[in-house]
Amino acid sequence: EDQVTQSPEALRLQEGESSSLNCSYTVSGLRGLFWYRQDPGKGPEFLFTLYSAGEEKEKERLKATLTKKESFLHITAPKPEDSATYLCAVRSHDAGGTSYGKLTFGQGTILTVHP
Amino acid sequence: DVKVTQSSRYLVKRTGEKVFLECVQDMDHENMFWYRQDPGLGLRLIYFSYDVKMKEKGDIPEGYSVSREKKERFSLILESASTNQTSMYLCASSLATGGNGYTFGSGTRLTVV
Repeated sequence: EDQVTQSPEALRLQEGESSSLNCSYTVSGLRGLFWYRQDPGKGPEFLFTLYSAGEEKEKERLKATLTKKESFLHITAPKPEDSATYLCAVRSHDAGGTSYGKLTFGQGTILTVHP
Repeated sequence: DVKVTQSSRYLVKRTGEKVFLECVQDMDHENMFWYRQDPGLGLRLIYFSYDVKMKEKGDIPEGYSVSREKKERFSLILESASTNQTSMYLCASSLATGGNGYTFGSGTRLTVV
């Protein structure tokens, strides 16, 4: 069974204070690790997909990295508008070889950036 | 702009009522999913569908059923609503291979009283 654990559960930063969110995973065969951003009362919004260890993706102040056991979402010089819940999810091969694209989600990290 | 549209943002229903949550996508995606999201529990998969008239149980299907009569529409049905089904319900869709992950709807906040 795939498992995804995100830490910390909540993170409070001052504007400009860089930090990282962690996503540890256990899967039978990784077919993609996904990061989403979710604002209160809204559906998650896609940020990045990573497929293999060593891969990195960047978007504005966000940078996602991947190893064989975990992924990090680095936030450089955050602004208050970066405040949101960040979700990590994995897609894997199932025993029958057909996962139908199902994702297993972590519980998320609630990020608050104070001005 | 491609979209997944959920029919209601907020719903209040009484215990025992039959509740229909509708989801429509315009991306010609093969896969569609229903999740519920609760504080401290994250996103939990209720049901998913990989083709018209096909459905598979997720992790928490009890008390729910689904219908997919057309490719673009996936409905979640609460047969007899209970207070423990008060939650945020999220619909998502994806390509058959799952490439690029999911596109989510805006969610339906259901309160059962």
